[in-house]
Amino acid sequence: DAKTTQPPSMDCAEGRAANLPCNHSTISGNEYVYWYRQIHSQGPQYIIHGLKNNETNEMASLIITEDRKSSTLILPHATLRDTAVYYCIVRVRFKAAGNKLTFGGGTRVLVKP
Amino acid sequence: DTAVSQTPKYLVTQMGNDKSIKCEQNLGHDTMYWYKQDSKKFLKIMFSYNNKELIINETVPNRFSPKSPDKAHLNLHINSLELGDSAVYFCASSQEYRGAYEQYFGPGTRLTVT
Repeated sequence: DAKTTQPPSMDCAEGRAANLPCNHSTISGNEYVYWYRQIHSQGPQYIIHGLKNNETNEMASLIITEDRKSSTLILPHATLRDTAVYYCIVRVRFKAAGNKLTFGGGTRVLVKP
Repeated sequence: DTAVSQTPKYLVTQMGNDKSIKCEQNLGHDTMYWYKQDSKKFLKIMFSYNNKELIINETVPNRFSPKSPDKAHLNLHINSLELGDSAVYFCASSQEYRGAYEQYFGPGTRLTVT
């Protein structure tokens, strides 16, 4: 699975959009971009995933560059409850050997009032 | 209703003991996982089972033995506990839906070995 690079931390003002970048310059054509987050003392939570088109759901939007070498997770109106570590993970859709998630260090997002 | 549940939430035990952590999912998923999150907060896959069959074993010491009595349960048994086993253990499950394979995690079990 391709390696990802994320900033270690970032702050965001409550009510503003939070834009979380992720670089994945070695991504392959069959690899998806997944985002998970982990709120303190909880299990990781799936947010969104995409292949090459931009995606939106009730939690966030995912913008993938045309060359697919980077992406941005957008939390449109950050709340204090969005304070968490956000993980960008790149992997193929399916592996016969198992679909494990490989977590990096993630970005620690602190939403401030 | 809790989708993925784990028991116990906290487990404190002494070195050398044997302990088990239980995991259950009510999502009807075919695949279940165990992850370990160490003190540095890195999450690492340990095992994965698909329909009760082991498909991932990430060089975990054989003191760790997962057991899947049915596809809704994946328990983790640990023999001869060591200080380095102290960590938070997360169970997860997944089911392909339009190729998504998103995983749903349990709340974690914080294991402390003294």
